[in-house]
Amino acid sequence: EAQVTQNPRYLITVTGKKLTVTCSQNMNHEYMSWYRQDPGLGLRQIYYSMNVEVTDKGDVPEGYKVSRKEKRNFPLILESPSPNQTSLYFCASSLVGTGSQPQHFGDGTRLSIL
Amino acid sequence: RKEVEQDPGPFNVPEGATVAFNCTYSNSASQSFFWYRQDCRKEPKLLMSVYSSGNEDGRFTAQLNRASQYISLLIRDSKLSDSATYLCVAEHRGSSASKIIFGSGTRLSIRP
Repeated sequence: EAQVTQNPRYLITVTGKKLTVTCSQNMNHEYMSWYRQDPGLGLRQIYYSMNVEVTDKGDVPEGYKVSRKEKRNFPLILESPSPNQTSLYFCASSLVGTGSQPQHFGDGTRLSIL
Repeated sequence: RKEVEQDPGPFNVPEGATVAFNCTYSNSASQSFFWYRQDCRKEPKLLMSVYSSGNEDGRFTAQLNRASQYISLLIRDSKLSDSATYLCVAEHRGSSASKIIFGSGTRLSIRP
């Protein structure tokens, strides 16, 4: 089954404790992206990747890191999480850009930073 | 000012009504446009792409007006199952970059 898998689905942690949210897709998509969703602000792009070893900042990259060592994986790293990073996070993938291709989203990861 | 703006709603309409959403975008270099649907606590899913010539998919019609930089979505004969948040999306694509901007969404609630 074609899917984007994020882990964990839920995480409560404390300020400053490094965490990684994994994202994996099995559709051989070149494009992968991370978003955060907050009430009233909608989905905002954090980072995206056009292909292996190619990453770029989205609109809200501060406090986040990503890597794309393999095509299927695109982990999101919070080196020193802070309470303002409490949010719902989505990973998505598609063929290059979107064009007529839809972005496929994971189920989301709800992060709470205390 | 947000790069993609939508009326947040909520729109509360009776079943069978016709509903129209508008969305404006500020980056004239945006090339591709989409409507996504998001159910409560779920991931967004593509509803339809939007073309200048207008496109229709069953009860749904999408339209793009590049001169005025707005996108519309029309839902005819609305069903209870249409209740969701509708997200307007604009993409700006270069040779080595692709930025995707979501609007904050318009909430639609269909009542029996």
